[in-house]
Amino acid sequence: AQSVTQPDIHITVSEGASLELRCNYSYGATPYLFWYVQSPGQGLQLLLKYFSGDTLVQGIKGFEAEFKRSQSSFNLRKPSVHWSDAAEYFCAVVSGYSTLTFGKGTMLLVSP
Amino acid sequence: GAGVSQTPSNKVTEKGKYVELRCDPISGHTALYWYRQSLGQGPEFLIYFQGTGAADDSGLPNDRFFAVRPEGSVSTLKIQRTERGDSAVYLCASSPGTSGIDEQFFGPGTRLTVL
Repeated sequence: AQSVTQPDIHITVSEGASLELRCNYSYGATPYLFWYVQSPGQGLQLLLKYFSGDTLVQGIKGFEAEFKRSQSSFNLRKPSVHWSDAAEYFCAVVSGYSTLTFGKGTMLLVSP
Repeated sequence: GAGVSQTPSNKVTEKGKYVELRCDPISGHTALYWYRQSLGQGPEFLIYFQGTGAADDSGLPNDRFFAVRPEGSVSTLKIQRTERGDSAVYLCASSPGTSGIDEQFFGPGTRLTVL
């Protein structure tokens, strides 16, 4: 069965510093991968997605992610974090026909 | 345009009671999903509708859980004989349904607390 692992439960980053959130997947074929962000009281919002083609994908709010098949990873990055980026981030993979299997999430804290 | 809406936003009930949670998807979206998010966890899939029919209900934990979408729009998740372990945020999502990899748009969720 498909699965997603986010090894870091929470991460603290200084405002203006770079960010990398880790995601590892388990899937036999080419995976369809997503990153979502969840702010308090808000619904999940899609940041970016990977289906095929270029392994570096650009998303909203200055985020990008790189698909690395050899490492079964799809890590999320941002060059300079803003205080408004503090939220919980979820990596997900499509399983079955179109349902999503999520990781447990990484809580991002931004320090001044 | 309007996004996915869910009502109520919060529901507190007593163990053993019956509850209904409602989801209004984005207009025109044929695919609708229910997920459950327990504290400290990522969302877990419950059921997926394509139109009026449940295309995949493999995530429903047991027969106390049931969902309907009679007209292919609004969906209701029904939980009978609620248990404390059912306490979670129930998320609904919809997508255009044209492809298995369409973006899913999520609602804000219903927080269910079973006392």
